[in-house]
Amino acid sequence: SQQGEEDPQALSIQEGENATMNCSYKTSINNLQWYRQNSGRGLVHLILIRSNEREKHSGRLRVTLDTSKKSSSLLITASRAADTASYFCATDTGGGNKLTFGTGTQLKVEL
Amino acid sequence: DADVTQTPRNRITKTGKRIMLECSQTKGHDRMYWYRQDPGLGLRLIYYSFDVKDINKGEISDGYSVSRQAQAKFSLSLESAIPNQTALYFCATSERQGANEKLFFGSGTQLSVL
Repeated sequence: SQQGEEDPQALSIQEGENATMNCSYKTSINNLQWYRQNSGRGLVHLILIRSNEREKHSGRLRVTLDTSKKSSSLLITASRAADTASYFCATDTGGGNKLTFGTGTQLKVEL
Repeated sequence: DADVTQTPRNRITKTGKRIMLECSQTKGHDRMYWYRQDPGLGLRLIYYSFDVKDINKGEISDGYSVSRQAQAKFSLSLESAIPNQTALYFCATSERQGANEKLFFGSGTQLSVL
């Protein structure tokens, strides 16, 4: 079963709006990562947040982590059409375990 | 040039055929991975390797085998392809920074088994 589940599965917004995606997971983690995938292409690493961190920023990206709720959110501010892609969370449970990916959120940013 | 290169980009084959997907990297990473992606299921790990002499099964290794020919090369084989192996396959490498590890992906191979 998937460690990470993203919500919503699909999101459509207008350019300039903010986009928020959520990820819930089941077991304790070492870190949580967000990746982006343009249609049919490889995933690209966006940001990593450690289990002892609560919030992290990178450009227009803001990631929060709530380990008590086993959830994370990715906020993209002032979205652009070029942000249209699928976004995946991935959890690292440490101890030699590998990254486990969620099912992704498809974001469409319309002009 | 891409840091992680997969060949071929697309492949159509028939049930029962043997097929090999290849991956090479110029990032100098020791760790390499093969994932498959199916619609609605995210990415699932098939096999991974931490160095040339190390091969490990992932979540869904049945029906697949791998070979780590060199630090830079990691190939995935389907000995006898079946239609439910139709998927998008990704190779990835990683560097471990302390306790944290992030992946770098190739562009993928779309495999169709008829």
